[in-house]
Amino acid sequence: GESVGLHLPTLSVQEGDNSIINCAYSNSASDYFIWYKQESGKGPQFIIDIRSNMDKRQGQRVTVLLNKTVKHLSLQIAATQPGDSAVYFCAETLNDYKLSFGAGTTVTVRA
Amino acid sequence: KAGVTQTPRYLIKTRGQQVTLSCSPISGHRSVSWYQQTPGQGLQFLFEYFSETQRNKGNFPGRFSGRQFSNSRSEMNVSTLELGDSALYLCASSLAPGGNEQFFGPGTRLTVL
Repeated sequence: GESVGLHLPTLSVQEGDNSIINCAYSNSASDYFIWYKQESGKGPQFIIDIRSNMDKRQGQRVTVLLNKTVKHLSLQIAATQPGDSAVYFCAETLNDYKLSFGAGTTVTVRA
Repeated sequence: KAGVTQTPRYLIKTRGQQVTLSCSPISGHRSVSWYQQTPGQGLQFLFEYFSETQRNKGNFPGRFSGRQFSNSRSEMNVSTLELGDSALYLCASSLAPGGNEQFFGPGTRLTVL
């Protein structure tokens, strides 16, 4: 069964505001987590990843937070732009094998 | 560097037919994974190939099969198509096997009538 899930299927955010996309996972053995962005008509695009031995990792305008105590993963996007409108997926690997994806959150940026 | 390419991009088949999809990984990448994406089930792992060997397999019936060639290009085949096989089939490549930083292609949209 699916071990990774997202809290909300949709998120509407005002341009310029910060976005927070949440994900809960059920397998405490997962050691690697990735966030993907999928725009319409395209395949998923790697955004940022984090290992289970880390709590936080920052990229360009994005930050991933990992809370292993409650098995929660989040993606924060700073100063959300229209180009950030997409479906966001969290994924995990178990023992560095196949990726298990969550259902996805559709982010819509309002002008 | 060219990205992952998949052919064809769109395909329409009828029930009972079989289909072969092709994936060319990023140059230098030796691992190729296949995923099925549907609105109801999301992204589901099909299988992964590395050095021409299937390394891992998801929970799909035997009608779904794949292979990898010596140049790392991969194909997947679905036999005896069912309506429920209609989906976006995504291929992802990476330098090494496992989930680390997989790069996805645009997918092949398969419609089964």
